[in-house]
Amino acid sequence: EVQLLESGGGLVQPGGSLRLSCAASGFTFSNFAMNWVRQAPGKGLEWVSGISGSGGSTYYADSVKGRFTISRDNSKNTVFLQIYSLGAEDTAVYYCAKPPHPGPPHYSDSWGQGTLVTVSS
Amino acid sequence: DIQMTQSPSSLSASVGDRVTITCRASQGISNYLAWYQQKPGKVPKLLIYSASTLQSGVPSRFSGSGSGTDFTLTISSLQPEDVATYYCQRYGSVPLTFGGGTKVEIQ
Repeated sequence: EVQLLESGGGLVQPGGSLRLSCAASGFTFSNFAMNWVRQAPGKGLEWVSGISGSGGSTYYADSVKGRFTISRDNSKNTVFLQIYSLGAEDTAVYYCAKPPHPGPPHYSDSWGQGTLVTVSS
Repeated sequence: DIQMTQSPSSLSASVGDRVTITCRASQGISNYLAWYQQKPGKVPKLLIYSASTLQSGVPSRFSGSGSGTDFTLTISSLQPEDVATYYCQRYGSVPLTFGGGTKVEIQ
């Protein structure tokens, strides 16, 4: 059974930084690209970043390019999202999501429960 | 970047009604479109991919159609458990843009 468990969220001051983690199990992690999707309170879904299975290719939404860095450690079956210069607009639940088959970032058939990031002074 | 526009943003219908949600891409995306259901307080759930292929375990009252720029999600007979927000998402290349969502309620 696929399991995705996010961690690292919390309350952070504007201008601060945070690193989110997503621990994966139940599949051959290195074969699959992974995505991060966020959802601001009461708002819709926003894809923010993706990474190839090898980690050699990374992808970002324009809204976060330059402030977010995605990476992965295939030896630990974990994907990370480093967020810098946090602003109120980054307050959201951040989901880790997995595509249904190996290849480039794709739609997702498995989602974690999410980790809440709150940016406030 | 390709934009995804859903309509309506919300709707209210009676149990048993046929419900249709539209998703329009600003450029052609072939059939690289997925639909998700998100119930209040829950994680998104994949309903349909490749515009019209039903994900395993999804009730057959859900169906998808379309290609190119115009897509439709149909619930053939609305049930109380279908109260949720529905999102389309394009894929095939990045960014993997979502539509703004359609909130479905029971009248």
